[in-house]
Amino acid sequence: EVQLVESGGGLVKPGGSLRLSCAASGFTFSSYSMNWVRQAPGKGLEWVSSISSSSSYIYYADSVKGRFTISRDNAKNSLYLQMNSLRAEDTAVYYCARDWGVVVPSYFDYWGQGTLVTVSS
Amino acid sequence: DIQMTQSPSTLSASVGDRVTITCRASQSISSWLAWYQQKPGKAPKLLIYKASSLESGVPSRFSGSGSGTEFTLTISSLQPDDFATYYCQQYNSYSGLTFGGGTKVEIK
Repeated sequence: EVQLVESGGGLVKPGGSLRLSCAASGFTFSSYSMNWVRQAPGKGLEWVSSISSSSSYIYYADSVKGRFTISRDNAKNSLYLQMNSLRAEDTAVYYCARDWGVVVPSYFDYWGQGTLVTVSS
Repeated sequence: DIQMTQSPSTLSASVGDRVTITCRASQSISSWLAWYQQKPGKAPKLLIYKASSLESGVPSRFSGSGSGTEFTLTISSLQPDDFATYYCQQYNSYSGLTFGGGTKVEIK
């Protein structure tokens, strides 16, 4: 059974940093591109970032480019999102999602349960 | 970025109704469109990919159609478990994946 479990969310002050993790199991993690997608409270879904299976291709939404860094460790079956210079508008539930695409981001067939990030003073 | 516009934003329907949700893209995305269902407090669930391909395990009452800039998700006979919010998502452009604003299907 495919499982994606996010962790690392919490309360952080504006300008602060946070690192999210996603532990994957039930599939060959190193064969799939992975993504982060977020959802602000009461709002819709927003794609944040994508990383290909071997980390060769990385993409970011304009809203986080230069502040967030996606990475992965295939030996540990883990996906990460380093978030710096956090703003109030980054407050959201952050989902880890498996991508059907190989190089170019596509659609997401499995999602984690999400981890809440709250940016507030 | 490609903008995705869903309509309606809210839809009131009864069990057994045929329901149609529309998603329009700001430019052609061929058939690179997915549909998701999300229930409160839960992660989204993939229903349809490549505009009309049904994800494994998804009931056949769900169907998708369209290409280019206009797409539809149809639920042929609404069931109690189908009351949720539905999102479309384009994946034509790797410069930015985008979702529609969502359509909430409520009990009439």
